[in-house]
Amino acid sequence: DAKTTQPTSMDCAEGRAANLPCNHSTISGNEYVYWYRQIHSQGPQYIIHGLKNNETNEMASLIITEDRKSSTLILPHATLRDTAVYYCIVRATGTYKYIFGTGTRLKVLA
Amino acid sequence: SQTIHQWPATLVQPVGSPLSLECTVEGTSNPNLYWYRQAAGRGLQLLFYSVGIGQISSEVPQNLSASRPQDRQFILSSKKLLLSDSGFYLCACVWTGIGDTQYFGPGTRLTVL
Repeated sequence: DAKTTQPTSMDCAEGRAANLPCNHSTISGNEYVYWYRQIHSQGPQYIIHGLKNNETNEMASLIITEDRKSSTLILPHATLRDTAVYYCIVRATGTYKYIFGTGTRLKVLA
Repeated sequence: SQTIHQWPATLVQPVGSPLSLECTVEGTSNPNLYWYRQAAGRGLQLLFYSVGIGQISSEVPQNLSASRPQDRQFILSSKKLLLSDSGFYLCACVWTGIGDTQYFGPGTRLTVL
């Protein structure tokens, strides 16, 4: 079973920041948080991952709470092309399984 | 560069027919390989993963099987397809030695009639 919970769907206005939450209250100390997105009829695309520090790359920022029980993916200026299903998963170092939940369907509105 | 190939891209098969989907990867040797299935409107279900040639771990008991005859080749098979096998099949890879991030192929859309 997935070890994360996410809202089923969210809307965001184009040009505004999209903040996607994820709860992972049972996360262990050696488990990373990964974010992927899936645009319709395509394979999931890697976005970002982190352990305990906040991370930023060209696509997004990842904010992890101090207790590591939740995180937020931030798309700073959402565009229509960011409309997708966003998945948050946790995976322990040295393990092989990546278990995906049902994700959040983000719709960016013009 | 690291690339994942899947074929065919789409497939329509009758119930009871056999299935063979192929995934090949380019890049470093000894990748970890994965098969996922996504039913319409649903999330990703991990089916099989492999950490080496001939080594297969099955996550969900069903009428599917997987094989890894070569280091960079992963095959998903069935002897007799069921209607419930319809879905989007995704191959994924972790290139060992280049972090632990999993990357996905373009997928195969299977319709069983």
